[in-house]
Formats: sequence, C-alpha cells, structure tokens
Amino acid sequence: DAGVIQSPRHEVTEMGQEVTLRCKPISGHNSLFWYRQTMMRGLELLIYFNNNVPIDDSGMPEDRFSAKMPNASFSTLKIQPSEPRDSAVYFCASQNRASNQPQHFGDGTRLSIL
Amino acid sequence: KQEVTQIPAALSVPEGENLVLNCSFTDSAIYNLQWFRQDHGKGLTSLLLIQSSQREQTSGRLNASLDKSSGRSTLYIAASQPGDSATYLCAVNTDKLIFGTGTRLQVFP
Repeated sequence: DAGVIQSPRHEVTEMGQEVTLRCKPISGHNSLFWYRQTMMRGLELLIYFNNNVPIDDSGMPEDRFSAKMPNASFSTLKIQPSEPRDSAVYFCASQNRASNQPQHFGDGTRLSIL
Repeated sequence: KQEVTQIPAALSVPEGENLVLNCSFTDSAIYNLQWFRQDHGKGLTSLLLIQSSQREQTSGRLNASLDKSSGRSTLYIAASQPGDSATYLCAVNTDKLIFGTGTRLQVFP
C-alpha cells in the first residue's frame, strides 16, 4: 500500500502565478479530501469528493481556488491567480467512507507564494 | 457551529510519565471522534477512532475516551517515550472532520 501520494512536496512561486497541486488517493478509497493547514487557522477542510463527485466545497476560500477529480485515482487543487496569503501546507486525504474507516493523509505540499 | 478545543497547547515532560491530552467540542451530534498524530513536516497518522456509541478505544500504550454528552475526549499516553514527541490532533466527524488546533508534545530523555 503506497499511501496517499501528493506532488509536489514543495512549491515556491511568485504571486499571480497558477499553482496546481496533485493527489493520488489510496486505491479502493471512494472519498477524497483537500485540507489547508496554517499556524493561524489550523487544519481546515477545503473540499471533499465522494465517488469523484464534489460534495461540499464550502471551505474553498474564494473563486481563485478550484478542485477536480477526473477519475478515482487522481485529483488536483488549482489556485489561479495565487496570492501570498495562500501560503500554507495543503494536505490530501482519502477514505473508504462506506466502512467508516479513518482518513489517510498524504505528506502534504508546502506552498510558498512570494 | 462546531468548535473543537485542545488543552494544553504544548506539553514538555520527561520520559516515563503518564500523560493526558484533552479535547472538547461544542456540538454532541457527531458520528465519531478521531485522534491523530502529526510529526514535523509530515501528514497526519490516525491513532484511534471512537464511534459515537463507544466510550473508549485502546491501542498499545494509548487509550482514548469519549463522553459525547459533555463534549469531551481524552487521550491517555502511558509510560511516555521520546518517540512520542509530535503534535496530537483530535477531530470530530460531523460528516466532515472538524479539527482542534492540537497539543504539541515533547518527551525528553
């Protein structure tokens, strides 16, 4: 079991640039979650998918953020245009929701917007 | 709105001590509660999951209790070791996870 795989691990870019974060969930998991972690606000849920369908995107901060899950093995979180306040660690997690098992987290992407 | 609070925010102890980490939540309508461990620069690792109908769960030196009516959970760590040093997060599941801000634990030799 390879676990949840996120890429890149680190991203440094200038404000105004487009940023794309990628996630490969654990095979067989039917739910996928995107979180953001900052010192000020802790760990916040941005959006989650069940069976590739977005269920709750109320945590997405604004229209500059978008997420897709084109198939069961891949998801992206995109920020366009990026701003310095978007700097944070972004985590992806997956879960076999039907069996009520814990969520499994990736190691995160540390994003710095200059 | 569900709010999750963890006390203390930080804890530094010599190895061998038994520890209690506290988590409180404002809305008792939860499916379950989970305790996670986060090592520096890493993701979260699930430690224990307590269903809303359960009172406690145990795994090795870890024991977590849940009192849903009072909105409280505790994580008990027996005979702490330096390898237990990490941030511990609790999260309540209300169809999605709501996290506390964590307790940063340091166990020194």
